[in-house]
Amino acid sequence: AQTVTQSQPEMSVQEAETVTLSCTYDTSESDYYLFWYKQPPSRQMILVIRQEAYKQQNATENRFSVNFQKAAKSFSLKISDSQLGDAAMYFCAYRSPYGGATNKLIFGTGTLLAVQP
Amino acid sequence: NAGVMQNPRHLVRRRGQEARLRCSPMKGHSHVYWYRQLPEEGLKFMVYLQKENIIDESGMPKERFSAEFPKEGPSILRIQQVVRGDSAAYFCASSNSDYGYTFGSGTRLTVV
Repeated sequence: AQTVTQSQPEMSVQEAETVTLSCTYDTSESDYYLFWYKQPPSRQMILVIRQEAYKQQNATENRFSVNFQKAAKSFSLKISDSQLGDAAMYFCAYRSPYGGATNKLIFGTGTLLAVQP
Repeated sequence: NAGVMQNPRHLVRRRGQEARLRCSPMKGHSHVYWYRQLPEEGLKFMVYLQKENIIDESGMPKERFSAEFPKEGPSILRIQQVVRGDSAAYFCASSNSDYGYTFGSGTRLTVV
């Protein structure tokens, strides 16, 4: 069974600085999807970025980028130029390829990010 | 496009009562997923449904919990005879492709 591990329960960053959130996963599949979701106090789950395992290029969305290391099964999220609105819980998630037996997301336990003004 | 709509946003039930949580997927989405988030934890998969079919219910507790996604109308997560341990946030998500999910805002269930 696949598992997702986030080893940093809490992180803190100064406004305008850069922070990296760690995520490792375990799977025997060769093709899969990885996601980072943001959950602010409103509780809404917001997709930040996604990565297809067959793509070697790291995904980027504005100030958010990932470092995807397939051999190491590592998927870290880098937030550049941190803003106060980035403060939230961040979840890493894994999903098997679409069309398989299930399309469920497997989540890590989350990292609570605080942004200091 | 109104997104994934969940209601109610908050639900309070006494122990032993039934809780019904509703989820209307995004227009055109035929796949619905339910997740549960216990306090201070990540989201845990419960069930995956397509119209009129349960595809994967491996995360559903064996008793008291059921889910449906009828041909017409929203998906329903039903919890019978609620207990305090059922208090959690319940999220619904929908999809129609491999572009990931869209989540609703969740229903926070409090059992008193």
